[in-house]
Amino acid sequence: SQQGEEDPQALSIQEGENATMNCSYKTSINNLQWYRQNSGRGLVHLILIRSNEREKHSGRLRVTLDTSKKSSSLLITASRAADTASYFCATDQVNTGFQKLVFGTGTRLLVSP
Amino acid sequence: DAGVIQSPRHEVTEMGQEVTLRCKPISGHDYLFWYRQTMMRGLELLIYFNNNVPIDDSGMPEDRFSAKMPNASFSTLKIQPSEPRDSAVYFCASSWGPTKYGYTFGSGTRLTVV
Repeated sequence: SQQGEEDPQALSIQEGENATMNCSYKTSINNLQWYRQNSGRGLVHLILIRSNEREKHSGRLRVTLDTSKKSSSLLITASRAADTASYFCATDQVNTGFQKLVFGTGTRLLVSP
Repeated sequence: DAGVIQSPRHEVTEMGQEVTLRCKPISGHDYLFWYRQTMMRGLELLIYFNNNVPIDDSGMPEDRFSAKMPNASFSTLKIQPSEPRDSAVYFCASSWGPTKYGYTFGSGTRLTVV
């Protein structure tokens, strides 16, 4: 079963607006990652936040992590049409010894010009 | 580096036929992963390798699926015999430390079994 659930499933905004998507997960993690997938393409790694971090920035991306609530959010500021894609969170699993990621269900973002 | 290379990009086959998907990871990456993506089930991990050795194959659906990694630069995922429910996009990804550095994905193989 999938570790992460994203919310909302779909989001439609205008260029210049901010987009916020949320991820909830079930078990303890070492870190959480966000990926982008353009239509018909593979996923691209965006940002990683460690379990002892609360917030991280990369360009127009801002990620927060609340381990007590087992949730994370991805904020894209000043969105552009090129940000149109699906966004997935991915988590590892503490204490399993496995080096694998489990992906959430994804949020489809549409940014209109 | 050319990234993770998968072939073919598209495959259409008839039910019952054998299908082989191929992947060339990024040089130096010692982890390789096979995922399957469908609308209904999302991204599912099928199997992963570390230093060419299969570590976790618990996601392989059934005996019809097999994966090999004969060397550090090549892996295959084989389905024999194929069924319509195997239709999906199959992704290969590689990494030198998945939980610390994330994955690099290939462009995927879109498999259609008719």
